[in-house]
Amino acid sequence: KNEVEQSPQNLTAQEGEFITINCSYSVGISALHWLQQHPGGGIVSLFMLSSGKKKHGRLIATINIQEKHSSLHITASHPRDSAVYICAVSSMDSNYQLIWGAGTKLIIKP
Amino acid sequence: DSGVTQTPKHLITATGQRVTLRCSPRSGDLSVYWYQQSLDQGLQFLIQYYNGEERAKGNILERFSAQQFPDLHSELNLSSLELGDSALYFCASSEGGRSYEQYFGPGTRLTVT
Repeated sequence: KNEVEQSPQNLTAQEGEFITINCSYSVGISALHWLQQHPGGGIVSLFMLSSGKKKHGRLIATINIQEKHSSLHITASHPRDSAVYICAVSSMDSNYQLIWGAGTKLIIKP
Repeated sequence: DSGVTQTPKHLITATGQRVTLRCSPRSGDLSVYWYQQSLDQGLQFLIQYYNGEERAKGNILERFSAQQFPDLHSELNLSSLELGDSALYFCASSEGGRSYEQYFGPGTRLTVT
């Protein structure tokens, strides 16, 4: 079993829909990261969380430390949100190196 | 723009050759990380440097080496290249050495023919 599991693996939705991507992890973490990889390959760090909730524009990230679960939400989705969204955790067990999820490929259709 | 720069953007070379990829971290960041992303694969951590010293090693092949210079820029050297080394190579930087938000460069796309 992977230490970081994301679901769904692929997600196709219509413009305007509310999107949720989930991330579960099995190790003790010091922080959880959400990143976005564009079709062209570029990677952007979206959030770093150790508790609670963060919001940036239409993006919201939450984390529940007790349940070892995080969600990334996109409100009023737009075709430009189409990308791969990656969850990664840093853990004492991994000497604080990032343990990566496999990514969720999101396609938003106009 | 993350503030992390990588050169070159694209590199095409032949098997058996050696290449050097360069990364300049964000101003003030002391850590540099190197990652490899093969086609349709996730990111694989290769190596981390912190303030000039190797901090952590991941799945880095013996044919690969890296260093971080006093001005904090880093180079990743890939030698005896094989077709399977074709990938996107990302550099990221962070302020500290642990659990800090990483800022990614645009990547270098290496094609080995």
